Amino acid sequence: GQNIDQPTEMTATEGAIVQINCTYQTSGFNGLFWYQQHAGEAPTFLSYNVLDGLEEKGRFSSFLSRSKGYSYLLLKELQMKDSASYLCARRDNYGQNFVFGPGTRLSVLP
Amino acid sequence: DVKVTQSSRYLVKRTGEKVFLECVQDMDHENMFWYRQDPGLGLRLIYFSYDVKMKEKGDIPEGYSVSREKKERFSLILESASTNQTSMYLCASSLFGQGRLNEQYFGPGTRLTVT
Repeated sequence: GQNIDQPTEMTATEGAIVQINCTYQTSGFNGLFWYQQHAGEAPTFLSYNVLDGLEEKGRFSSFLSRSKGYSYLLLKELQMKDSASYLCARRDNYGQNFVFGPGTRLSVLP
Repeated sequence: DVKVTQSSRYLVKRTGEKVFLECVQDMDHENMFWYRQDPGLGLRLIYFSYDVKMKEKGDIPEGYSVSREKKERFSLILESASTNQTSMYLCASSLFGQGRLNEQYFGPGTRLTVT
């Protein structure tokens, strides 16, 4: 199968750092995407990893370990506007489509 | 600017009706996708298409069909709507390729209610 697991909900405080984990099946893996989705809106692209390591992009970073089937999204200096769902999506070698995880709903509190 | 549009934001239909959801992209993308999104289940792929007149079943195609007569347009059809098809429907498109090029761009979604 292509099960992707993420925590369902997380809560953090404004100004803090939060890490959202994603685990996936490693067989045939060929890239991992993170998307952000605010309530009632379309998902928008945040980051892409295909090689091991950390990709940094402003306050957001994404990490990948291919051997462990593990990724995380790190959000620093949290702001209220970061309250959203964060979707992890896996692409495999044999297709153009993704398999999405269930999403993690992050609530940032003042 | 990249744009994916969907014909309706909100739609209410009766059980048994035939329902058409339209999606148009202006980025000359080869790939187009239809998902439904339900609480706790995430985005689930219904159908996708790599090219005009081409379609592939996703994970949950039962009760749905699709049509891609032109590159920019991908239609989702509910032949006989049922209450369990009440959901948010999201269309997406992407370039055909590898890596970062495969980023999917999403439309705003259609919230369909079947009564």
